Amino acid sequence: SQTIHQWPATLVQPVGSPLSLECTVEGTSNPNLYWYRQAAGRGLQLLFYSVGIGQISSEVPQNLSASRPQDRQFILSSKKLLLSDSGFYLCAWGGSWNTEAFFGQGTRLTVV
Amino acid sequence: EDQVTQSPEALRLQEGESSSLNCSYTVSGLRGLFWYRQDPGKGPEFLFTLYSAGEEKEKERLKATLTKKESFLHITAPKPEDSATYLCAVQARGSNYKLTFGKGTLLTVNP
Repeated sequence: SQTIHQWPATLVQPVGSPLSLECTVEGTSNPNLYWYRQAAGRGLQLLFYSVGIGQISSEVPQNLSASRPQDRQFILSSKKLLLSDSGFYLCAWGGSWNTEAFFGQGTRLTVV
Repeated sequence: EDQVTQSPEALRLQEGESSSLNCSYTVSGLRGLFWYRQDPGKGPEFLFTLYSAGEEKEKERLKATLTKKESFLHITAPKPEDSATYLCAVQARGSNYKLTFGKGTLLTVNP
């Protein structure tokens, strides 16, 4: 069966520091991969999605970037964090043969 | 632009008191409508996918229905463990499988 791993679970970072969040998927090949952010009182906002290695689409202009160095690995990065980057970050995967997306357990990022 | 509106924002029920959550949507060609359950501090857990008007799906005490403009999540005889935030999302054709989410309904079931 397929599983998705996301780490770390919580992270406190100072303003101006770099960020790297990693997500990996097991049990499937060539998945569609997504990064979402969930802010208090708001719905999940799609940040990036990828349909293949090296293929990244950005949905919202921001201080973040994403990379997909391997088929089942998706990384969310920032060179310099802002206070407004705080939130709950969720990685998700979906198969190219179906429509559902399955989420990881999320990373709670607090920028101080 | 695809839009999803969920109501109510919060719902408090007594154990055994059945009710429904609403998800109204606007999308340019619906590929699918999805329901998720999210517990505090956790990622959303997939519940159902509905593809066309008139379709229904059931899982334990939950039943999801779909019309051309909205979806309902019916909760029959809820238990305290059904307490969670329920999220609705839509996926449009030609969207590269992206999901547009509503803000969710926070359900609390008191014993």
